[in-house]
Amino acid sequence: AQTVTQSQPEMSVQEAETVTLSCTYDTSESDYYLFWYKQPPSRQMILVIRQEAYKQQNATENRFSVNFQKAAKSFSLKISDSQLGDAAMYFCAYRSAISNFGNEKLTFGTGTRLTIIP
Amino acid sequence: GAVVSQHPSWVICKSGTSVKIECRSLDFQATTMFWYRQFPKQSLMLMATSNEGSKATYEQGVEKDKFLINHASLTLSTLTVTSAHPEDSSFYICSALLEALTDTQYFGPGTRLTVL
Repeated sequence: AQTVTQSQPEMSVQEAETVTLSCTYDTSESDYYLFWYKQPPSRQMILVIRQEAYKQQNATENRFSVNFQKAAKSFSLKISDSQLGDAAMYFCAYRSAISNFGNEKLTFGTGTRLTIIP
Repeated sequence: GAVVSQHPSWVICKSGTSVKIECRSLDFQATTMFWYRQFPKQSLMLMATSNEGSKATYEQGVEKDKFLINHASLTLSTLTVTSAHPEDSSFYICSALLEALTDTQYFGPGTRLTVL
């Protein structure tokens, strides 16, 4: 079974600075997807960024980028120019790419609470 | 695009009653939807996977007779908590797979259930 580990329960960053949230995972599969979701105080889960394991290029979405290290099974999220609205719980998630029923499930990490200091 | 709604957003009920929560994909069809439960300051716990037109698949430890899931159309899945008790109080979240991008789940805003 796959596992996702987020070793930083809490992080804080000054507004406008850069912060990196870590995520490691364990899998025996070679093809999969990785995600970062954000859950602000409203508790709405919002997709931040998505990475396909077969792509070597790191995904980016505006101020958000990932450092995907497949051999190390590491998938960190970098937030540049942090803004107050970035304050949220961030969850890393894994999903198998095998197209069988039951493989569409997401395996979540325990989350990292990010605080933005004005 | 890829908007998922849930209704109600907040419900209070008496112990022993049943509560139905709706999950709708507003601008896309979703063959597969998921139901999660989230306790305060914890991660999401998958309860079940529902496929349109077939029975839901429940995760180990989830009582299928207590948490009834129906996925009657490509845009609607419902979760009914039967004979609710205070320990069922929680935050329930649904998600849907976008057909065109079947690897990505889009989440509803969640429903807070309080059982008195």
